[in-house]
Amino acid sequence: DAGVTQSPTHLIKTRGQQVTLRCSPKSGHDTVSWYQQALGQGPQFIFQYYEEEERQRGNFPDRFSGHQFPNYSSELNVNALLLGDSALYLCASNIRDTGELFFGEGSRLTVL
Amino acid sequence: QKEVEQDPGPLSVPEGAIVSLNCTYSNSAFQYFMWYRQYSRKGPELLMYTYSSGNKEDGRFTAQVDKSSKYISLFIRDSQPSDSATYLCAMSESGGYQKVTFGTGTKLQVIP
Repeated sequence: DAGVTQSPTHLIKTRGQQVTLRCSPKSGHDTVSWYQQALGQGPQFIFQYYEEEERQRGNFPDRFSGHQFPNYSSELNVNALLLGDSALYLCASNIRDTGELFFGEGSRLTVL
Repeated sequence: QKEVEQDPGPLSVPEGAIVSLNCTYSNSAFQYFMWYRQYSRKGPELLMYTYSSGNKEDGRFTAQVDKSSKYISLFIRDSQPSDSATYLCAMSESGGYQKVTFGTGTKLQVIP
């Protein structure tokens, strides 16, 4: 049973560029959330998708956007990258009525 | 003041010791409490998931929640070098469709 898978694992971008990160949820899970984890910090909630709609959003600017597809997979897009966007981006999935989040290994983004 | 406070450590203990990890929180609406383990450069792994106040035991791990004091704990018995990791407390207001708020994590090292 595959867990949460994310791609790419590492990437380097320059300021002002755009990035797309991808996530496939754990089998049987229908809800996907994205978190940003800066070095030495706990994950910070970006947003959550269910039934292809953004259901809840954390305190992140509109430069952060996402999408969920009919097969429950999801993308996170970040526009106009800033140096401060450098972080580990984590995708988590769960079954709608349970709060047990399962995380992927993350995508490590470096902005130069 | 952060919603969730966690001593970042690092915490260093000898193999076989009992480890106590703690978090305090300010949001009285939190009802679901979790502990995650995160190895270096990996995604968080769910260890314990509890609802409301009380204790939950799973092998060498025991989670305690005291909602009256807004205080949660994770105890690790007979600690092993493989337990060396960062431990993140996390909590949410509802089960499946709310953001999860994390502490900053406590880095634990178990010395053989």
